[in-house]
Amino acid sequence: AQSVTQLGSHVSVSEGALVLLRCNYSSSVPPYLFWYVQYPNQGLQLLLKYTSAATLVKGINGFEAEFKKSETSFHLTKPSAHMSDAAEYFCAVSAGGDYKLSFGAGTTVTVRA
Amino acid sequence: KAGVTQTPRYLIKTRGQQVTLSCSPISGHRSVSWYQQTPGQGLQFLFEYFSETQRNKGNFPGRFSGRQFSNSRSEMNVSTLELGDSALYLCASSPGQGNRETQYFGPGTRLLVL
Repeated sequence: AQSVTQLGSHVSVSEGALVLLRCNYSSSVPPYLFWYVQYPNQGLQLLLKYTSAATLVKGINGFEAEFKKSETSFHLTKPSAHMSDAAEYFCAVSAGGDYKLSFGAGTTVTVRA
Repeated sequence: KAGVTQTPRYLIKTRGQQVTLSCSPISGHRSVSWYQQTPGQGLQFLFEYFSETQRNKGNFPGRFSGRQFSNSRSEMNVSTLELGDSALYLCASSPGQGNRETQYFGPGTRLLVL
């Protein structure tokens, strides 16, 4: 079975500051990892995904994440926060051929002007 | 391509009733997955269909069921509604060939059970 843990349910950053969202995974087989963003009253939008091709993954809207097997982590970063980054972010894992995503609890990001 | 569409977007039902939600995947996608999102339990996997067959099922009671049609459109049904079934129900589609694939989500159906 696979699972993810997101550290911190709420993160508040100043506009222009670094955004760092933490995700640790557990999987008995090589995982595929995803970050999704959810804006109010909307579905989930893919930010980026790791599928073993490269450990540093670049996504949309200036986000990137680094897969670290030794730390079982897949943290999401953005160098400079923008007001439009205010949303809820979910880390998810897929593994073992069971065709499902297992999500973390989510991290809500607020951006202060 | 058009994205994943879900209908209706909002529903209000009373306890004991049943409800059917619909999902139309992205054209060409053959896999449809359903997830329940609540403030307390977060995002939980309900089931996944591929070519009209259920390939995986989450840990939900039998009141939750689904099906997929030959055109890949999917429906999920919840019978004997309970207050705790109030949630955002999200549908996602993908080509259906494996775990590497991105699942593309619809806007969801928000169900309120009174």
